[in-house]
Amino acid sequence: GDSVTQMEGPVTLSEEAFLTINCTYTATGYPSLFWYVQYPGEGLQLLLKATKADDKGSNKGFEATYRKETTSFHLEKGSVQVSDSAVYFCALRRTSGTYKYIFGTGTRLKVLA
Amino acid sequence: EAGVAQSPRYKIIEKRQSVAFWCNPISGHATLYWYQQILGQGPKLLIQFQNNGVVDDSQLPKDRFSAERLKGVDSTLKIQPAKLEDSAVYLCASSLGEGLYGYTFGSGTRLTVV
Repeated sequence: GDSVTQMEGPVTLSEEAFLTINCTYTATGYPSLFWYVQYPGEGLQLLLKATKADDKGSNKGFEATYRKETTSFHLEKGSVQVSDSAVYFCALRRTSGTYKYIFGTGTRLKVLA
Repeated sequence: EAGVAQSPRYKIIEKRQSVAFWCNPISGHATLYWYQQILGQGPKLLIQFQNNGVVDDSQLPKDRFSAERLKGVDSTLKIQPAKLEDSAVYLCASSLGEGLYGYTFGSGTRLTVV
């Protein structure tokens, strides 16, 4: 079945470091791909999305490119801030059936000042 | 625009008791979702409504969980009787259509079953 695999956390970085959080997926067809962020005590917020191969989603300095050949959607940011500390979830939206989302298990990011 | 509203924010109950959660989606959003997020895991879809009809409830434990969206707007999720393994955050989300461009999530209800 469809699935999303994320790198395990926690990821601990110093402020201004480069961030990569890996995400790979298994799906039939061409799913849409998303990154959501969850700050402590809050619900998930959509961070960025890509709906077709080679699309690049970007928001707040974060970027991810939909790579069909490697079935990946890795999240990157050139210079992280303490305020980026949160849990990041990769998700796919099926292109058939009930179109439900499948989420990865989440990667906790901790940025130190 | 107002976000997805959920209540209560926290609930502690004993096992075998019942509990209900409420969600009011963004105005005009036809699709409403209830997700269960167990600590350390990603959210898992429990039920999806399109207006007031159920689209997908394949992962809803129907012997103890029930949900309704009577007028196609707000929704309630009930657990009766609760088990220890039901301890989780219950997230409600909504979308205009079928979520092609993303969902909007509420802040969730954290349930602790003791």
